[in-house]
Amino acid sequence: GESVGLHLPTLSVQEGDNSIINCAYSNSASDYFIWYKQESGKGPQFIIDIRSNMDKRQGQRVTVLLNKTVKHLSLQIAATQPGDSAVYFCAEARDNYGQNFVFGPGTRLSVLP
Amino acid sequence: NAGVMQNPRHLVRRRGQEARLRCSPMKGHSHVYWYRQLPEEGLKFMVYLQKENIIDESGMPKERFSAEFPKEGPSILRIQQVVRGDSAAYFCASSPGRWAERVNEQFFGPGTRLTVL
Repeated sequence: GESVGLHLPTLSVQEGDNSIINCAYSNSASDYFIWYKQESGKGPQFIIDIRSNMDKRQGQRVTVLLNKTVKHLSLQIAATQPGDSAVYFCAEARDNYGQNFVFGPGTRLSVLP
Repeated sequence: NAGVMQNPRHLVRRRGQEARLRCSPMKGHSHVYWYRQLPEEGLKFMVYLQKENIIDESGMPKERFSAEFPKEGPSILRIQQVVRGDSAAYFCASSPGRWAERVNEQFFGPGTRLTVL
């Protein structure tokens, strides 16, 4: 069946460095992708999304890249800060209302002082 | 504008008891989703509801689990005769109606952590 998975389960970066979190998806019919951040004991928090008609989208300190050819999604965080320490999930869906999200297993980002 | 609210935040039940988890969506949101998360894993979709209707329950276990979203009041996820394997965090998300600009954006609540003894 379809699945969304991550290449790296854990990632440690130095404060101030850039972080890159990767995600592979297998459902070629998915056309909407989202990155969520989940801190310990909290619900997922929306970071950034991208639709399949784009290959790059930028937010504040974050950039999402979408490569539909190889079904790959990445989240780049610039100048990583201690507050960025969390688990990051990618999720995919069809870009219609009322679609449930398929989440990947998550990557834990640890920011070292 | 309050976010998605869930209660209780923590729930302890003994095997065989019933668990009721409540979710109040964001104001103006008419779509509710329930997800389950096991430790160190991603969220797994369970059910999608609109007011008084179950739209997609493809992720719900066939037995013991049920969900509702009545015309008035919160959405309820009910687990009957709980077993230890039901221990998990249960998250509710809500989204606006189909004519919203960001129709597919889901806002998550803080979750209910169910522990079955």
